[in-house]
Amino acid sequence: GQNIDQPTEMTATEGAIVQINCTYQTSGFNGLFWYQQHAGEAPTFLSYNVLDGLEEKGRFSSFLSRSKGYSYLLLKELQMKDSASYLCASLDSNYQLIWGAGTKLIIKP
Amino acid sequence: ETGVTQTPRHLVMGMTNKKSLKCEQHLGHNAMYWYKQSAKKPLELMFVYNFKEQTENNSVPSRFSPECPNSSHLFLHLHTLQPEDSALYLCASSQEGSSGGVNEQFFGPGTRLTVL
Repeated sequence: GQNIDQPTEMTATEGAIVQINCTYQTSGFNGLFWYQQHAGEAPTFLSYNVLDGLEEKGRFSSFLSRSKGYSYLLLKELQMKDSASYLCASLDSNYQLIWGAGTKLIIKP
Repeated sequence: ETGVTQTPRHLVMGMTNKKSLKCEQHLGHNAMYWYKQSAKKPLELMFVYNFKEQTENNSVPSRFSPECPNSSHLFLHLHTLQPEDSALYLCASSQEGSSGGVNEQFFGPGTRLTVL
């Protein structure tokens, strides 16, 4: 079956760095998305990886290892506004997104 | 209006009611999606419309009926729902190429549905 695993909840301190991991098992693979969703709001696109390696975009970076079926989202210099859920989604061979349940990130002062 | 809008934002209905959720995208996209989001569960894809044609129906019960009159509007008609249908219903749109391709989906804020 198809499966996406990510931690349910993580806590980090303002100004620190946090890494949110995601492992995936999908039928075929056409890339890995990360979305951010603040409580009561729409998910918004953060990153897309299809090749192995690290993609940096400001304070946020996303890493992919296709051979390991593994990705992570790295958030640096954490701010209180980064408190949100982070959704990992894999694009399968039919170009359908398979979603994880999301990781709720709590930032403490 | 910009992006993807959804109305209503909140809806409470009884099991015998009929209601409709509306989604409108102002991005010129050609694909639209309905998702169900329940607490602590992955997003569940319900329906996909590509160029106004329904291309995906993930075994959704017939009490949910989608309608896509044009590429900018998407409706979800609700009839005789069950309490377990209470969830956040998200609409999304994307620009899909004829060969598949990969483009991110843009989401609306969702309709929080409560079925009593």
